[in-house]
Amino acid sequence: DARVTQTPRHKVTEMGQEVTMRCQPILGHNTVFWYRQTMMQGLELLAYFRNRAPLDDSGMPKDRFSAEMPDATLATLKIQPSEPRDSAVYFCASGGGGLFFGEGSRLTVL
Amino acid sequence: QQQVKQSPQSLIVQKGGISIINCAYENTAFDYFPWYQQFPGKGPALLIAIRPDVSEKKEGRFTISFNKSAKQFSLHIMDSQPGDSATYFCAASKAGSARQLTFGSGTQLTVLP
Repeated sequence: DARVTQTPRHKVTEMGQEVTMRCQPILGHNTVFWYRQTMMQGLELLAYFRNRAPLDDSGMPKDRFSAEMPDATLATLKIQPSEPRDSAVYFCASGGGGLFFGEGSRLTVL
Repeated sequence: QQQVKQSPQSLIVQKGGISIINCAYENTAFDYFPWYQQFPGKGPALLIAIRPDVSEKKEGRFTISFNKSAKQFSLHIMDSQPGDSATYFCAASKAGSARQLTFGSGTQLTVLP
């Protein structure tokens, strides 16, 4: 059963700490997206990759967020330093036709 | 600028009734319109999608109606069931955008038993 796998599922950290979220896209999918979901803003696109190359990260605060795809099986989203306003659920999605989401990483920054 | 507007924000329907969720878009370059279903604690899951060359697409109890001239599309859930209770998102993307979706704000559907 092919699916997008995200880790960690839950993360509680203190303000100022570094947070790294990981995503394993569905094998064979060549596009990977990072979305953030909050009650106030809904689903926001942060960044996306095609064939591991970053195509658009305009939705991402550049000073603290970074997204990389070191190989075809791993995408990472890093926040350094984290702030309370970063508290949200972060979703990774991969596409090869339709777009398939992982179950998300719920981040709480105290 | 919100490019996809979704309504209503919440919807309560009796079991067996019809649930209708509406979306309107502004960008005429959009050419792919999916609907996603999200249960609490889960990621959005693709439910059904349509392209503007057809006016309607039906899959089981779920139907998308598409009005290109009005730039509107809607999701109809026939014979709604309590298991359909979830948040529904419409979305849109442009050709060649690698499925870079712009999402609506979501509709929380509750189907009463």
